[in-house]
Amino acid sequence: ILNVEQSPQSLHVQEGDSTNFTCSFPSSNFYALHWYRWETAKSPEALFVMTLNGDEKKKGRISATLNTKEGYSYLYIKGSQPEDSATYLCALRTSGTYKYIFGTGTRLKVLA
Amino acid sequence: DGGITQSPKYLFRKEGQNVTLSCEQNLNHDAMYWYRQDPGQGLRLIYYSQIVNDFQKGDIAEGYSVSREKKESFPLTVTSAQKNPTAFYLCASSIGPGTSGRNEQFFGPGTRLTVL
Repeated sequence: ILNVEQSPQSLHVQEGDSTNFTCSFPSSNFYALHWYRWETAKSPEALFVMTLNGDEKKKGRISATLNTKEGYSYLYIKGSQPEDSATYLCALRTSGTYKYIFGTGTRLKVLA
Repeated sequence: DGGITQSPKYLFRKEGQNVTLSCEQNLNHDAMYWYRQDPGQGLRLIYYSQIVNDFQKGDIAEGYSVSREKKESFPLTVTSAQKNPTAFYLCASSIGPGTSGRNEQFFGPGTRLTVL
């Protein structure tokens, strides 16, 4: 079973701080990487779908980059707000399969 | 409203009983998935289906069974053979294969199963 790792496991930041976390994955047979945000008592929601090496995606204050050759993706949040508090999950799909392997997530708490 | 529904939200069962978790979607998606979450672990894939009347085992299929008789429905049965069934179960769907990699998943609200 492939291993997708996320770090840090959790972090607390002050409102207005910028932060970033990492998703690491095996670089061989890469097909796609997804980022999801999972707020408490809600369902996970897709943030980004990334498929090409060097991809950069942005949605408001949140952005993500992808390096498939070295096997990592970064998620950045600029000027964190309390409503950004959630668990952020990444999920890897490799070529030749329809399965997704999820990381354990990074739990973000933004303090007002 | 389009979306995925799972019922019930909370489910309690006695040890040794089979239990079926419901998952329905009206997004016209071909692909559906069942995941399990345990404390401190990521979502682990139990079963997935890319098309009606076809499904494949995920990474932790032992003790579970599924059916995909209709496009909208993908029920999961937790059998008495599953050694540690107490967990949070999430169902998801996506458009399906052949969409150039853009297969973001849409998730239901989940069912928390407790086996007493």
